[in-house]
Amino acid sequence: DGGITQSPKYLFRKEGQNVTLSCEQNLNHDAMYWYRQDPGQGLRLIYYSQIVNDFQKGDIAEGYSVSREKKESFPLTVTSAQKNPTAFYLCASSIQGANEKLFFGSGTQLSVL
Amino acid sequence: SQQGEEDPQALSIQEGENATMNCSYKTSINNLQWYRQNSGRGLVHLILIRSNEREKHSGRLRVTLDTSKKSSSLLITASRAADTASYFCATDGKGAQKLVFGQGTRLTINP
Repeated sequence: DGGITQSPKYLFRKEGQNVTLSCEQNLNHDAMYWYRQDPGQGLRLIYYSQIVNDFQKGDIAEGYSVSREKKESFPLTVTSAQKNPTAFYLCASSIQGANEKLFFGSGTQLSVL
Repeated sequence: SQQGEEDPQALSIQEGENATMNCSYKTSINNLQWYRQNSGRGLVHLILIRSNEREKHSGRLRVTLDTSKKSSSLLITASRAADTASYFCATDGKGAQKLVFGQGTRLTINP
């Protein structure tokens, strides 16, 4: 089955620690996105990538980093500079860009110990 | 920056009734999309309506778009308990390469 896989489902971060959230897709989509969702809120864009080896900052990129070395993979690192990382993180992809529908993964809940 | 805003924030109706949610946005768009999210899960795409379309149907869903008022509505007819979820609108903005989501409407269908 084609789709987007996020792992892990739950992740805990200690103070000063960097953690990496995985996102893999086998849909052969060019565009991939990372969103952050706080309780009862909408989605805010962290980073997006339209092609391998290229990515752009979204609205809340500070304290996060990404890479896009392979078409199917778009990992997100939450760095120690992100002081309020507790949130639900969602990865998505689309064939080419934002004028098409997005396919979402099932999300990663990140909490601070 | 939040582009779309849904109204109401929460809606509770009886099973079998129709549910209407509204979305307003600020800038010109290429298209507007609606998504559903069950609690603790990823979003699922429902319907996409382009800026040159006024109405679109998909099963029990009906979406309208009024670009002069910069607003859209999602109507779910004959609601079912399984429709209980949060519903989000999302817009791309002309020239934008990203999709911006509203804060959503939490819909509860009471049996």
